[in-house]
Amino acid sequence: GDSVTQMEGPVTLSEEAFLTINCTYTATGYPSLFWYVQYPGEGLQLLLKATKADDKGSNKGFEATYRKETTSFHLEKGSVQVSDSAVYFCALGGGADGLTFGKGTHLIIQP
Amino acid sequence: GAVVSQHPSWVICKSGTSVKIECRSLDFQATTMFWYRQFPKQSLMLMATSNEGSKATYEQGVEKDKFLINHASLTLSTLTVTSAHPEDSSFYICSARDPAAGTSGSIEQFFGPGTRLTVL
Repeated sequence: GDSVTQMEGPVTLSEEAFLTINCTYTATGYPSLFWYVQYPGEGLQLLLKATKADDKGSNKGFEATYRKETTSFHLEKGSVQVSDSAVYFCALGGGADGLTFGKGTHLIIQP
Repeated sequence: GAVVSQHPSWVICKSGTSVKIECRSLDFQATTMFWYRQFPKQSLMLMATSNEGSKATYEQGVEKDKFLINHASLTLSTLTVTSAHPEDSSFYICSARDPAAGTSGSIEQFFGPGTRLTVL
């Protein structure tokens, strides 16, 4: 079945550092790929998405490119802020089906 | 944006009792809702897909007689954990699709804040 593997945290960075959170997947067909973010005490929010190979999703300075050849969808941000501290989930699927999630990566940004 | 609420946000119950969790789409009509379960430091696992007016579709390994799902209206789905036991303690999260929010094949899901269930 479908699966998502993402680096486990916690990942601790200093403010303004460069961020990469790795995500790879296995799936049949050509799923859509998503990054969700969960801030403390809140529900999951869609951060960005990509629906086909080579698509780049971007939002709030974050970006990720759908790489079919490496089955990856790594999340990057050039300069993180304390307010980016949260749990980040990589997921695939969408449409009429439920989503398959990675385990989540807890990101901690220190001032 | 689309908002999904859950009620209650947390619940503590005795073993053997049943607990109902509500999931509501507040500003859109959700033809499909999903129920997930999340264990500490684990991923969200899809439990079932709930379509308005029809029976829910359960994922493999999820007991449909234990986790009763009802989607009686376009804005409300309920999950009832029947005869709850301590191993049912978990974080339950629902999500809903807004058919008007995205293109075919990549429709976004909007998530509720979750319900923490503790069974004593």
